[in-house]
Amino acid sequence: AQSVTQLGSHVSVSEGALVLLRCNYSSSVPPYLFWYVQYPNQGLQLLLKYTSAATLVKGINGFEAEFKKSETSFHLTKPSAHMSDAAEYFCAVNRAAGNKLTFGGGTRVLVKP
Amino acid sequence: AAGVIQSPRHLIKEKRETATLKCYPIPRHDTVYWYQQGPGQDPQFLISFYEKMQSDKGSIPDRFSAQQFSDYHSELNMSSLELGDSALYFCASTLLQDRGADTQYFGPGTRLTVL
Repeated sequence: AQSVTQLGSHVSVSEGALVLLRCNYSSSVPPYLFWYVQYPNQGLQLLLKYTSAATLVKGINGFEAEFKKSETSFHLTKPSAHMSDAAEYFCAVNRAAGNKLTFGGGTRVLVKP
Repeated sequence: AAGVIQSPRHLIKEKRETATLKCYPIPRHDTVYWYQQGPGQDPQFLISFYEKMQSDKGSIPDRFSAQQFSDYHSELNMSSLELGDSALYFCASTLLQDRGADTQYFGPGTRLTVL
């Protein structure tokens, strides 16, 4: 079955520091991969997605992610954290033959001043 | 830009009651998905519809049913509510063009509390 694993349910970073959120997928075929952000009491907003066009994907709010097939990873990074980045981040996978998103457990990011 | 609309935003019900959640997709989107997010959990896929036909089914209890109407809005009907049904219910929509790669746009969710 298609799945994603997010390493670390909580991440604390200082304002201005690098944000690194880890996501590994299990798939027998190249998947479609997504990163969503959820602010408190809000819906999920797409940050970026990988659809095989390019391995380095740039998204909104300065985030980017790199698809590494050899490592089955799709880690999310941002060079400099901002207080507004405090939220929960979900990695998700979608097979080409199916529509439903399967989410990882989520990583809650805390940004310290 | 228009977004996915869900109503109501909050709903409080007693055990064994019924609830109906509504979802209005982004205009011209033909596919709707329902997800359930329990407290501290990741969203879990329930069911999806494409052009008013059920297209995929996940871990949706038999007490729940859903449909998509001619105007593409969707309703999730929940009967014999249990305490464990308390969760945030998300609707997402997309225009199906590149199966699997299409972005799902999420609504703000309906928070259901069962007492």
